[in-house]
Amino acid sequence: GQNIDQPTEMTATEGAIVQINCTYQTSGFNGLFWYQQHAGEAPTFLSYNVLDGLEEKGRFSSFLSRSKGYSYLLLKELQMKDSASYLCAVRSIGSWGKLQFGAGTQVVVTP
Amino acid sequence: NAGVTQTPKFQVLKTGQSMTLQCAQDMNHEYMSWYRQDPGMGLRLIHYSVGAGITDQGEVPNGYNVSRSTTEDFPLRLLSAAPSQTSVYFCASRRGDSEQFFGPGTRLTVL
Repeated sequence: GQNIDQPTEMTATEGAIVQINCTYQTSGFNGLFWYQQHAGEAPTFLSYNVLDGLEEKGRFSSFLSRSKGYSYLLLKELQMKDSASYLCAVRSIGSWGKLQFGAGTQVVVTP
Repeated sequence: NAGVTQTPKFQVLKTGQSMTLQCAQDMNHEYMSWYRQDPGMGLRLIHYSVGAGITDQGEVPNGYNVSRSTTEDFPLRLLSAAPSQTSVYFCASRRGDSEQFFGPGTRLTVL
């Protein structure tokens, strides 16, 4: 099975940086995904890490350390529209690629 | 492409009633999944399919049935609705190891 932990809520100011941590325990890691979900909407894909290191996509970056079972999502130059829930999801080998999701981190951006 | 579509968007049922949530995708994805999302609990996998004619149970399958007769469609059936099944239901699809695409969701209330 898998345990995925992420903070429940984080608050940051417009223009600032926020780092959302995700720790996981799994047998047979095969990739970690980050999704963004605005209230009342479906999750949308942000990033994917399968090897150790940093993946950068514009204002968003995601980091993975497989040996530590740890990932973070970094949001830079925060904008009001970044207020959303951010979901960490882990895929394991041998489970037909099923994703296990964390409970999500609600990010609140204040003016 | 329409992507992943779900119907209905909203539904109210009485305890004991049955219904089918519809899900379709036009991206020729082999993998399709059903999730439910409850406050504070993230997305939990109900059932999934790796191709037409092949389905399997996720974390919370009790009270739900699925079938996959075509690549495009993956309906979720509630045989006898219970108040505990009040939730937001998301259907998702993907190809291979790529990211999942989610439908807009169905908001179900069981009285």
